[in-house]
Amino acid sequence: ETGVTQSPTHLIKTRGQQVTLRCSSQSGHNTVSWYQQALGQGPQFIFQYYREEENGRGNFPPRFSGLQFPNYSSELNVNALELDDSALYLCASSRGQTGNTIYFGEGSWLTVV
Amino acid sequence: SQQGEEDPQALSIQEGENATMNCSYKTSINNLQWYRQNSGRGLVHLILIRSNEREKHSGRLRVTLDTSKKSSSLLITASRAADTASYFCATESFSGNTGKLIFGQGTTLQVKP
Repeated sequence: ETGVTQSPTHLIKTRGQQVTLRCSSQSGHNTVSWYQQALGQGPQFIFQYYREEENGRGNFPPRFSGLQFPNYSSELNVNALELDDSALYLCASSRGQTGNTIYFGEGSWLTVV
Repeated sequence: SQQGEEDPQALSIQEGENATMNCSYKTSINNLQWYRQNSGRGLVHLILIRSNEREKHSGRLRVTLDTSKKSSSLLITASRAADTASYFCATESFSGNTGKLIFGQGTTLQVKP
């Protein structure tokens, strides 16, 4: 049990639709990151939020966006869904931006049809 | 981009044997973290080893880090069927204030009863 909770656990969307995934960070953690894991691959960094500001971004297009709230929970939004967006989306939290253990949630499985 | 490369990609052993997984990376790192992932589920943090450390232990796990060779290894002693999972190394590099992890493709471990 990592204390990082994500919802929903599974969802199916149609190409072109929009999706919002949610994450509650571990108590005391002010930094949240999102990762995308395609089947059979390692997770890929999408972006990181620290104190409600985006603090770094991986190689993902602008249709991937996020928010972090005052309680440090976070949302990942993906617009104009494509078939290749089908993946496990992992939320991770940590105390501070760098140098500390990063804890992951169970993930949200997104299937785009 | 994948920074870490795990070796072997797949490993099958008998219960009670030791399992060794290796990880190589390309750039200077802040720390390296090992994770376990059961099929279709989230990442479970195993060990964090910092760039100025050479070896760490946690229960049946032993991690080494050789920054001169840019490599790390994870040893699981006296393996159990419950250790069957995918194992990932992830490196955190200095990138401004962003503590993003870069993962390899993982090693799939099967422990036969």
